[in-house]
Amino acid sequence: GDSVTQMEGPVTLSEEAFLTINCTYTATGYPSLFWYVQYPGEGLQLLLKATKADDKGSNKGFEATYRKETTSFHLEKGSVQVSDSAVYFCALAFYNTDKLIFGTGTRLQVFP
Amino acid sequence: KAGVTQTPRYLIKTRGQQVTLSCSPISGHRSVSWYQQTPGQGLQFLFEYFSETQRNKGNFPGRFSGRQFSNSRSEMNVSTLELGDSALYLCASSLGQGPSTDEQYFGPGTRLTVT
Repeated sequence: GDSVTQMEGPVTLSEEAFLTINCTYTATGYPSLFWYVQYPGEGLQLLLKATKADDKGSNKGFEATYRKETTSFHLEKGSVQVSDSAVYFCALAFYNTDKLIFGTGTRLQVFP
Repeated sequence: KAGVTQTPRYLIKTRGQQVTLSCSPISGHRSVSWYQQTPGQGLQFLFEYFSETQRNKGNFPGRFSGRQFSNSRSEMNVSTLELGDSALYLCASSLGQGPSTDEQYFGPGTRLTVT
């Protein structure tokens, strides 16, 4: 079935370090891909999305490119801040359905 | 505008009991989806309601049910609670055109503990 695989955490970085969180997917069609972020004690928030191959989603300094050939959607940020500490979820969904399929989440901890 | 609200925020129940959780979507949103979040299974889709009709369903037993009212508010019910039902239950609302097109907004969740 359709699924999303993320790298296990926690990912521990110093402030201003470069971040990569790997995400790969398995899908029978051509899904849209998403990154959601969950800050402590809060619900999920959409961070960025890409709806077709080679699209790049970006927001708040985070970027991810939809790579159909490698079925990947890795999250990157050039310089992380302490305030980026949260759990990051990669997800996929098919057009016209509200069902999101999530990866297991990756906890990011950024230290000053 | 007000965000998605979920009540109650915390709940403790005993095995065998039933529970009802409530979700009020953002004004104007017609779709409400429910997710279960556990440390072991992560985030799993339960079901989605659009204009009072269940449009999608996840792979959960029949003990999990839901409904949506004409004002788009939704309730989720779990009967005959099991220890494994302990989880954070999240609801999300949207206009209903799918997350590829319009954003899903998540509530803060209801933390259910079954003892």
